[in-house]
Amino acid sequence: DAGITQSPRHKVTETGTPVTLRCHQTENHRYMYWYRQDPGHGLRLIHYSYGVKDTDKGEVSDGYSVSRSKTEDFLLTLESATSSQTSVYFCAISEPGGSSYNEQFFGPGTRLTVL
Amino acid sequence: AQKVTQAQTEISVVEKEDVTLDCVYETRDTTYYLFWYKQPPSGELVFLIRRNSFDEQNEISGRYSWNFQKSTSSFNFTITASQVVDSAVYFCALSEVNSGYSTLTFGKGTMLLVSP
Repeated sequence: DAGITQSPRHKVTETGTPVTLRCHQTENHRYMYWYRQDPGHGLRLIHYSYGVKDTDKGEVSDGYSVSRSKTEDFLLTLESATSSQTSVYFCAISEPGGSSYNEQFFGPGTRLTVL
Repeated sequence: AQKVTQAQTEISVVEKEDVTLDCVYETRDTTYYLFWYKQPPSGELVFLIRRNSFDEQNEISGRYSWNFQKSTSSFNFTITASQVVDSAVYFCALSEVNSGYSTLTFGKGTMLLVSP
């Protein structure tokens, strides 16, 4: 299994509070991604990173920001959490080249509840 | 824009039945990759298979087989002799290649329930 951890695994917070989710990898993969999973929507891409300090927006980026200061860590921040951001958040990693080109491996997920 | 459709929201079968999960995709690219992931009740996402757009050969892995047909833009997944442990949500996904990295577009998933 790919070495990907997410913290926290569960979090309950209140509307309007800032929240930061952390994704940590030990695989030295270049690319990292944040998705959210909601019933009826599958997984949707929030933001992704193609290198240290290189990030871009995904399909549902409003209300989220990211940072990547080290290869191994990719942070997702909700500046002011809203109830619509209640979801399960998955981090993923991938590395170009070789037989695993474009294949993404996922972390265990973080369940976030915004009251 | 790319799109993945999994028209079957839920499928229920009895153990040992064969079951096919449908996946239809849309893309303007000639180079792309298709994937299947499994999400068991425990919640993790497990990679099952990757197929590139130039390889239409069907693949079999144990009880799992995949049928890729570019003519119908489909990448269907068949489980032969289903087992209770196959109960999970299965996601089909499409990747377009941009400058060496990719973003995945997922279908909404098909929940498979295999009862004993």
